[in-house]
Amino acid sequence: GAVVSQHPSRVICKSGTSVKIECRSLDFQATTMFWYRQFPKQSLMLMATSNEGSKATYEQGVEKDKFLINHASLTLSTLTVTSAHPEDSSFYICSAKNAGLAGGKRDTQYFGPGTRLTVL
Amino acid sequence: GDSVTQMEGPVTLSEEAFLTINCTYTATGYPSLFWYVQYPGEGLQLLLKATKADDKGSNKGFEATYRKETTSFHLEKGSVQVSDSAVYFCALTTTPNAGGTSYGKLTFGQGTILTVHP
Repeated sequence: GAVVSQHPSRVICKSGTSVKIECRSLDFQATTMFWYRQFPKQSLMLMATSNEGSKATYEQGVEKDKFLINHASLTLSTLTVTSAHPEDSSFYICSAKNAGLAGGKRDTQYFGPGTRLTVL
Repeated sequence: GDSVTQMEGPVTLSEEAFLTINCTYTATGYPSLFWYVQYPGEGLQLLLKATKADDKGSNKGFEATYRKETTSFHLEKGSVQVSDSAVYFCALTTTPNAGGTSYGKLTFGQGTILTVHP
């Protein structure tokens, strides 16, 4: 079946540094990817929609200058948390929507396993 | 805005017990409803879905019926197995779809941890 990977799975960084998280669709092409954030014992909150070749669409209340999203190819989107602070510590999950360009179920969303970010 | 409320967990059951996880929603439009499952160390996987009132989604012995009158989409399974231990998320989307297959922004419930003992 369709697989989405995220790298790294865990990252610990110092306050003020930037962290990049990668989301890859391994066997399908995704014109749209979504980035979610999950706090402990809470639901996934959509942060932004990443569109290949164009600017991401951010949800209300999400700082676009802090959470930089780049969707440079049909199989890769990156989320960069700039100048991270302890309050940015969270579980970040991406999903990729199958464009159906190379087979598979078009428009179905597939989720990555998540990245645990801890900012000291 | 749209929201999804799930029963609080964790839920602990013995093998072959009956499972119900309640889910209710509020939506501004006419939503499609989903149950996702997350096994340990893996990403969320679509378990089942329903796109209109009275539809029943089913997969792997799990079922859920879209109840518009009660705005609910409760997940049920008649006999759970140890391998069903996971986190279950109820979700909805009101993104306009073409042909019932275009899923856009999802609104999730908080998730329910299910543990099944032998």
